[in-house]
Amino acid sequence: GAGVSQSPSNKVTEKGKDVELRCDPISGHTALYWYRQSLGQGLEFLIYFQGNSAPDKSGLPSDRFSAERTGGSVSTLTIQRTQQEDSAVYLCASSLPSQSYEQYFGPGTRLTVT
Amino acid sequence: DQQVKQNSPSLSVQEGRISILNCDYTNSMFDYFLWYKKYPAEGPTFLISISSIKDKNEDGRFTVFLNKSAKHLSLHIVPSQPGDSAVYFCAASGGTSGTYKYIFGTGTRLKVLA
Repeated sequence: GAGVSQSPSNKVTEKGKDVELRCDPISGHTALYWYRQSLGQGLEFLIYFQGNSAPDKSGLPSDRFSAERTGGSVSTLTIQRTQQEDSAVYLCASSLPSQSYEQYFGPGTRLTVT
Repeated sequence: DQQVKQNSPSLSVQEGRISILNCDYTNSMFDYFLWYKKYPAEGPTFLISISSIKDKNEDGRFTVFLNKSAKHLSLHIVPSQPGDSAVYFCAASGGTSGTYKYIFGTGTRLKVLA
């Protein structure tokens, strides 16, 4: 079956612009996660969705970051007024709700802010 | 404050020999641990897990050992194969992090030499 897909795969944007990153999880996976990986760092948890609600947004680095999920499926991560420190690979993962230990990751979106 | 640490950024091993990847953690409340493998331009894929009630879990060529008193886990790959060359991340969850929020290390790049 289809895995987790993310778009775009690469995004270059100018400082101060807004960007939207999209994640399409595996069908039937009600749990969805966003992470980011900055250069030389581990995966940093950003937000977790169960269905359309986000019980844990604790990892969002600032109020410039927001995420939503509609129809219990596709999720978008929006970064407003991008800064150079936002440059990273943004990874999305999904899982069955009872199997958060086995998260299926997408290939990521590499964001470069110039 | 890195709660999960992988102190070796890289490791080279001869094909057929054992690869040992190490991971240390600081939070004694962590109770579930994972290893993920990541190839270039792909998202991480789940490899093996271990609960804190065990000290060893084996799956084919992969074995994870957990030493709770030392807050240390390791992944053994025997025998190592060139296809095992990838970045390996350890991750931990539990305590106030909840069951879905995994804290990842920075990864160890394994190179298996033919």
